[in-house]
Formats: sequence, C-alpha cells, structure tokens
Amino acid sequence: ILNVEQSPQSLHVQEGDSTNFTCSFPSSNFYALHWYRWETAKSPEALFVMTLNGDEKKKGRISATLNTKEGYSYLYIKGSQPEDSATYLCALRGKLIFGQGTELSVKP
Amino acid sequence: DGGITQSPKYLFRKEGQNVTLSCEQNLNHDAMYWYRQDPGQGLRLIYYSQIVNDFQKGDIAEGYSVSREKKESFPLTVTSAQKNPTAFYLCASSTTGGTGELFFGEGSRLTVL
Repeated sequence: ILNVEQSPQSLHVQEGDSTNFTCSFPSSNFYALHWYRWETAKSPEALFVMTLNGDEKKKGRISATLNTKEGYSYLYIKGSQPEDSATYLCALRGKLIFGQGTELSVKP
Repeated sequence: DGGITQSPKYLFRKEGQNVTLSCEQNLNHDAMYWYRQDPGQGLRLIYYSQIVNDFQKGDIAEGYSVSREKKESFPLTVTSAQKNPTAFYLCASSTTGGTGELFFGEGSRLTVL
C-alpha cells in the first residue's frame, strides 16, 4: 500500500495567522494529487487538483504547490479566519490513497 | 441540485447482523467509491466501481460487499464477517479517466452494539 503522510496532524492558530501544512507521497508513478477541505458535519470538498511538477494553484487566501520529484505538496492559508477551521486532506490520484489529514482550528 | 445522497445518516445494529448503506448520485458519474474512516486514520478505500456491473476491491474489502446494477447507485453491505464494523462510511463519485476530483456524500455512521 502506498503511503501518503500529512503533517502536522493538528494545528491551532489565531485569526490572522498564516499557516501551512505538508503532504508527502511516493514520487514514483505520480499521476495527480488532490487537496480536500472537510468541515465538521459536511462532506469533503475538493480544493485543488494538481498534476504537474511545479504546479501552483490559488483559491482566495488558500494556495498549494507541488513537487513531484521529491514527493511533497504544501498547502498555505494566508491570514487564517475561523471559517477556515476544518480538516484538510490530500489524496494521491490513481489508487486514491488519502493521508490522515491535518485538523486546523482557527481561534478568533 | 446534483449531488450524492447517503442513507441512513446513523445506523445501529446488533452483532451478527448484515446492514446495507445506500449511496445514490445524480451527477452522471461513472465511478463510485466507498471509504471508511476511523479515529486518527485517513480515509481507507473499501470498494470502487468504474462502470455499471463491475467493481474492484480496495485496501480493506474483507467483510464488505457491493453491487453496481445502476449507474446512479452503489450500495455497500457490511456483513457479519466484518470484525470491526463500527465506523464512519463515506461514499464518493467521480468522472473516469483524467484526474477528476471526488464528490462526497455526507456519510453514514454505523455503530454495532
């Protein structure tokens, strides 16, 4: 089974802080990487689909980068807001292996 | 509105009983998936189907069964052979081919008493 690792497991920040977390994956046979946001009592929703080495994607205050050669992706949140509180999941497309997630809590 | 509907949201069953979780989608997606989530763990793939009348085992298929008789439906049966069935179950769908993201239902929480 391929291993997709996310770190940290949880993160507590103050409103206005910028934060980032990591998704690590095997770099061989890369196809695509997904980022999802999963808010409590809701369904996970896709944030980004990343396919090319060096990809950078942005949606509002959230952005992500991809390095397929070294096997990692970073998710950045600029100026965190309480509504950003959620679990952020990455998944390796192909076999659809998910990481354990990073649980983000933003305090007002 | 297009989406995925899972039912029931909460389910209790006694040990030794089979139970079936429903998953319906109206997104016209060919592929459908079942995941299981346990505390402190990522989503683990139970079964997936890329086309009607065909499905494949995921990483933790033992003790589960599925069917895919219609494009829009992919029910999951948790059998009495599943040793630790208490968990949160998520259904998802996607387009096939390409890198399409998953669309998820809201999940079903199964508790075995």
